[in-house]
Amino acid sequence: AQSVTQLDSQVPVFEEAPVELRCNYSSSVSVYLFWYVQYPNQGLQLLLKYLSGSTLVKGINGFEAEFNKSQTSFHLRKPSVHISDTAEYFCAVSDRGTYKYIFGTGTRLKVLA
Amino acid sequence: EAGVAQSPRYKIIEKRQSVAFWCNPISGHATLYWYQQILGQGPKLLIQFQNNGVVDDSQLPKDRFSAERLKGVDSTLKIQPAKLEDSAVYLCASIVGTGGAGTGELFFGEGSRLTVL
Repeated sequence: AQSVTQLDSQVPVFEEAPVELRCNYSSSVSVYLFWYVQYPNQGLQLLLKYLSGSTLVKGINGFEAEFNKSQTSFHLRKPSVHISDTAEYFCAVSDRGTYKYIFGTGTRLKVLA
Repeated sequence: EAGVAQSPRYKIIEKRQSVAFWCNPISGHATLYWYQQILGQGPKLLIQFQNNGVVDDSQLPKDRFSAERLKGVDSTLKIQPAKLEDSAVYLCASIVGTGGAGTGELFFGEGSRLTVL
C-alpha cells in the first residue's frame, strides 16, 4: 500500500529566505509524485510533478523538487519565498498502474515579513 | 475548457439527516475521484471510478456513504445518515484516463463544504 509522510505540519520562514518542505513516500510499485498547493479558501492546484526522466523538476512560482529513489523522498524547495507563498502544501503519490492518488497530511508554510 | 464542476458549494444539515453532492468532471476524463478533506488535514480518498466502474472504495464508510457514476460521466456522493465527524470539504477530481494516458495531473473542483450540526 502507498503512503505519504510530511513530517513538518507547519514551517514558518522569513520573506526572501530559502525553504524546504519534506516529503517521504512508501510504495511497493512504481509511482508518480506531485506537489499541490492550496491557498486560503481556494481549491487544490498542481505545483509540479515527477513522471519520469530528470529527477529535478521545476514547477510554477519558482518552486522545484528533487526525486530521490533511494531515500524515497520528493522534497520541495524554493530559494527565496514571498509573502504570497503562504499556503498549505500537499505531497501526493500516484500508483502508475491504477492512478490511485494518496495525499500527505500537508505542510502549512507561513512566510513572515 | 470547463473545469470540474461541483454542487452545492455549501451545505449545513443536522446530524442523522442525508445529503448528496454532485460532480461533473472535465469532458473526456474517464477517471473520477471523491476525496474528503477535514479541516487541517490532507485529502482522504473515498472512492475512485474509471468510467462507471469502481476501481477503489476501500476507505468509503459504506454503512453511511454511497457513490455512483451511472453513465460514466457525472457522479453523486451521498451520506445517510450524517454524523458530526462528516463535517468536511468533499472534493471531486478527475484525470484523463489510466494505463499511462494523459499527464497524470488531477484536476480538482472547488469542493462542497459540509457542516453537520
